[in-house]
Amino acid sequence: EAGVTQSPTHLIKTRGQQATLRCSPISGHTSVYWYQQALGLGLQFLLWYDEGEERNRGNFPPRFSGRQFPNYSSELNVNALELEDSALYLCASSRLGGTDTGELFFGEGSRLTVL
Amino acid sequence: GNSVTQMEGPVTLSEEAFLTINCTYTATGYPSLFWYVQYPGEGLQLLLKATKADDKGSNKGFEATYRKETTSFHLEKGSVQVSDSAVYFCALRKGGADGLTFGKGTHLIIQP
Repeated sequence: EAGVTQSPTHLIKTRGQQATLRCSPISGHTSVYWYQQALGLGLQFLLWYDEGEERNRGNFPPRFSGRQFPNYSSELNVNALELEDSALYLCASSRLGGTDTGELFFGEGSRLTVL
Repeated sequence: GNSVTQMEGPVTLSEEAFLTINCTYTATGYPSLFWYVQYPGEGLQLLLKATKADDKGSNKGFEATYRKETTSFHLEKGSVQVSDSAVYFCALRKGGADGLTFGKGTHLIIQP
């Protein structure tokens, strides 16, 4: 069974541009979480999607947005890129959201570099 | 709110040494507890987990016991290898709206 897949693996953009990152969860998983891992800052929760709806967002500005499609895949959009947006963006899926206390399954990440 | 505290390192050990990485948490009720590992240039992999008090998670020679009384989930391994060099994250999940709550990660370096 395929794991969580993310694309692209690497992305280079310049300040002010937009970046789009994509994630396909494990088959049967309805919840998708996005995390940002910037150098020295650990893992920061960005967004949670479940059943096509945004359920929660972390402490990030509105230029970080996304959506979840009917097949439960998801994309993360970052508008008006800033240098500090350079980071590894990790997507994770879970069989259920909300009350589920099981593990999250992570993809390999998309490394965004903003020049 | 929920939080996880772990030693940040880097922790440098010689091959075959005993490893302990401390992790304590703050949460109401009974969260599930996890250790994830991140090898260089890769995503996070689940190393082990425990879902209730006194449970012991184990995998690849690593162990951690869910201690409710001390709110701890320390990671141990009896004899580390160079291939264990990675960043280790302690995490909890309480079924809330932000998935996992992570510690800041511990960078482990094993020297031959």
